[in-house]
Amino acid sequence: GIQVEQSPPDLILQEGANSTLRCNFSDSVNNLQWFHQNPWGQLINLFYIPSGTKQNGRLSATTVATERYSLLYISSSQTTDSGVYFCAVEEGSGGSNYKLTFGKGTLLTVNP
Amino acid sequence: NAGVTQTPKFRILKIGQSMTLQCTQDMNHNYMYWYRQDPGMGLKLIYYSVGAGITDKGEVPNGYNVSRSTTEDFPLRLELAAPSQTSVYFCASSRPAVSYEQYFGPGTRLTVT
Repeated sequence: GIQVEQSPPDLILQEGANSTLRCNFSDSVNNLQWFHQNPWGQLINLFYIPSGTKQNGRLSATTVATERYSLLYISSSQTTDSGVYFCAVEEGSGGSNYKLTFGKGTLLTVNP
Repeated sequence: NAGVTQTPKFRILKIGQSMTLQCTQDMNHNYMYWYRQDPGMGLKLIYYSVGAGITDKGEVPNGYNVSRSTTEDFPLRLELAAPSQTSVYFCASSRPAVSYEQYFGPGTRLTVT
């Protein structure tokens, strides 16, 4: 099956700093999503981004499907951004019933 | 809209006991999924369903069973619980005809001792 690698595994920032999280995947994807898991365990969908660039407030994401990676940018980080960020992909060109394979995540800690 | 709800939030089981984790969604989503998350790991797919009456195995189905008798509900059954099933279980749903995004419930933390 497809492999999903996220880097860095851990990241510590001071409030106000910017950061870039990376997701590499081993095969072509039909679907790529970024999730934030807050310290209470709730998973929130941030972006559906199989290709191209999207922005939502201080967060933006870019996926270069031909080079098999995606980046999540967090600008002017806040303590509420702390948690684990997951990249999840659906491999192939469809027909897999939208099943997602998750990376191991990046644990982000934003200190005040 | 309550979204995706899961019960119970926490549960401790003894080895060999059985239980059912409940999942309900009120968004009229046809696809539903069960994942487990072990410490320091990403989520792994246990079972999924593409609609009422249709279920299929994911990556780690052993030790679990599911049913889907209605669009709203997708219970996960653990038979003969084992310590290896200690995990956090998440239910998710989606409606790909509208959006590929999956929406997650709050999770059930299960400990088997």
